[in-house]
Amino acid sequence: GAGVSQSPSNKVTEKGKDVELRCDPISGHTALYWYRQSLGQGLEFLIYFQGNSAPDKSGLPSDRFSAERTGGSVSTLTIQRTQQEDSAVYLCASSLAPRFNYGYTFGSGTRLTVV
Amino acid sequence: AQTVTQSQPEMSVQEAETVTLSCTYDTSESDYYLFWYKQPPSRQMILVIRQEAYKQQNATENRFSVNFQKAAKSFSLKISDSQLGDAAMYFCAYRYTSGSRLTFGEGTQLTVNP
Repeated sequence: GAGVSQSPSNKVTEKGKDVELRCDPISGHTALYWYRQSLGQGLEFLIYFQGNSAPDKSGLPSDRFSAERTGGSVSTLTIQRTQQEDSAVYLCASSLAPRFNYGYTFGSGTRLTVV
Repeated sequence: AQTVTQSQPEMSVQEAETVTLSCTYDTSESDYYLFWYKQPPSRQMILVIRQEAYKQQNATENRFSVNFQKAAKSFSLKISDSQLGDAAMYFCAYRYTSGSRLTFGEGTQLTVNP
């Protein structure tokens, strides 16, 4: 696609429910990143996928968070048993392999509200 | 660990004037990249300008330029001839050359007054 697409744009869920956030990266981009942006804060790294390599999960805040990337393309971030502190904007980005230093292309994010 | 600090939570500028946004960072690495991203209300992060640490020349993109002071670990963004469309949150970011993740500052909210 022409850009990074994220869905849904907004999601309201009840505390304790599971949610899935989807990211469709730019075609041909081998690297995919998930970041979280809490209200008034900077971006917090969550997870990074590069090609067929094992993902860098070092930023995931708890075991309630997981992500997968199928076929080297679409990625899904899953949050189980959501808590109010999970409320944030979840941003996905993709890029060519980091060594090319073309920076990231970001999607418009999913605003998650846990009530 | 690398850290990025933006000491100005909010800035304002008159249309057509010039404004400078500050950013400092801390790293023990000598080879890295620095970026400025813009985030308008649409939430999408847009790359404004990037700088390779090994380059002494400051990067310039139209009305946007940086003042990169490697020894001082400073990376400020200058916006000339400010336009209403420049109003947004601006984030400074760092990436180690061999790394993958970006480390972001906490952002500066820029308001452009007509």
